Amino acid sequence: GEDVEQSLFLSVREGDSSVINCTYTDSSSTYLYWYKQEPGAGLQLLTYIFSNMDMKQDQRLTVLLNKKDKHLSLRIADTQTGDSAIYFCAESINDYKLSFGAGTTVTVRA
Amino acid sequence: EAQVTQNPRYLITVTGKKLTVTCSQNMNHEYMSWYRQDPGLGLRQIYYSMNVEVTDKGDVPEGYKVSRKEKRNFPLILESPSPNQTSLYFCASSKAGASLLEQYFGPGTRLTVT
Repeated sequence: GEDVEQSLFLSVREGDSSVINCTYTDSSSTYLYWYKQEPGAGLQLLTYIFSNMDMKQDQRLTVLLNKKDKHLSLRIADTQTGDSAIYFCAESINDYKLSFGAGTTVTVRA
Repeated sequence: EAQVTQNPRYLITVTGKKLTVTCSQNMNHEYMSWYRQDPGLGLRQIYYSMNVEVTDKGDVPEGYKVSRKEKRNFPLILESPSPNQTSLYFCASSKAGASLLEQYFGPGTRLTVT
């Protein structure tokens, strides 16, 4: 079955890098995603990586994918207070289904 | 503006009283889906629809019904709500296929069943 796991909380100092880790189980996933949920809002797609890639960089965001270990990470450089949110890792099971992790609550402290 | 809207945003109701949460999208998307979000469990898919009149169960469909009579609307129906359906509900839509790369989420409906 599908099971995506991630740690529940991360506290980081403003200006430092944040690293959020995720493990998944479905080795046939085509895409892996990171979503951001700000307080009181819906989910917003932050970035994604195709399964044949090892790394993807987009401004302050770096996604690393280790297919052998089924491990995905999201690094946020120079973390700002506006980065405080819940971050969800998700894998595509097929064209109609995503499997989400429980979400990591990132708190940025001054 | 491209968006997914849900109504109501907040609802407190009692056990057994039928309710409907509406979802509407203005992007002509074929695919729509309902999720529930619970602390420590993330998002779990309730039902999804690949197009008009085509729906299928997700991971947690028990106690819910859906319909897709028009492309833009995908209401979630709780015929007899129970306290374990207290949750935060999200509707989402995207183009068909492409592994849901452009999935848009609504703002959420917080439901409390007493």
